[in-house]
Amino acid sequence: GAVVSQHPSWVICKSGTSVKIECRSLDFQATTMFWYRQFPKQSLMLMATSNEGSKATYEQGVEKDKFLINHASLTLSTLTVTSAHPEDSSFYICSAGPGTPGNTIYFGEGSWLTVV
Amino acid sequence: LAKTTQPISMDSYEGQEVNITCSHNNIATNDYITWYQQFPSQGPRFIIQGYKTKVTNEVASLFIPADRKSSTLSLPRVSLSDTAVYYCLVGGPNTGGFKTIFGAGTRLFVKA
Repeated sequence: GAVVSQHPSWVICKSGTSVKIECRSLDFQATTMFWYRQFPKQSLMLMATSNEGSKATYEQGVEKDKFLINHASLTLSTLTVTSAHPEDSSFYICSAGPGTPGNTIYFGEGSWLTVV
Repeated sequence: LAKTTQPISMDSYEGQEVNITCSHNNIATNDYITWYQQFPSQGPRFIIQGYKTKVTNEVASLFIPADRKSSTLSLPRVSLSDTAVYYCLVGGPNTGGFKTIFGAGTRLFVKA
């Protein structure tokens, strides 16, 4: 199946700093990518929809100025957590799909963020 | 977007067949049904997708009745490594594209 890759797999940063997570579609072009966060033993929560060449669409309750999303190319979307705080510590996952008739979505491996 | 309902958890033993049913009463005409498996600290992994009737691949089967208001994921002869969370997702081009909203999923525990 299609491959979506995230980097880094895990990152530790200090409070107040910013950290960037990359999401790449390796074998297809993705005009749309999605970003999720997941807390331990909980389901995935959709944060935003990343649209290539335009602004991201954020879900209700997600701060767009804190979670900056850039989708500069058809194979790369980035999530930047700005002025990170310990409560931002979470597992972040991206997804994308090649747009086949069934619109199958493939997920990245996920990125653990720990803010200390 | 169609809401899905699954059992919160299920237990099984190695070698047994496991069937996980998902309800999606307000599925739209163009919606597909997709199942994912997730292990701790990993992104969800695609298992199988279907639109109607039965779909089978090398790891699972998906049964969808004619009214499409539910679906059943069947895992033949599970092993300990099948212990994971399984998510049923419904969506399509006319329901927000493939914007995927996750339900709680089903935690499957496979015992020796």
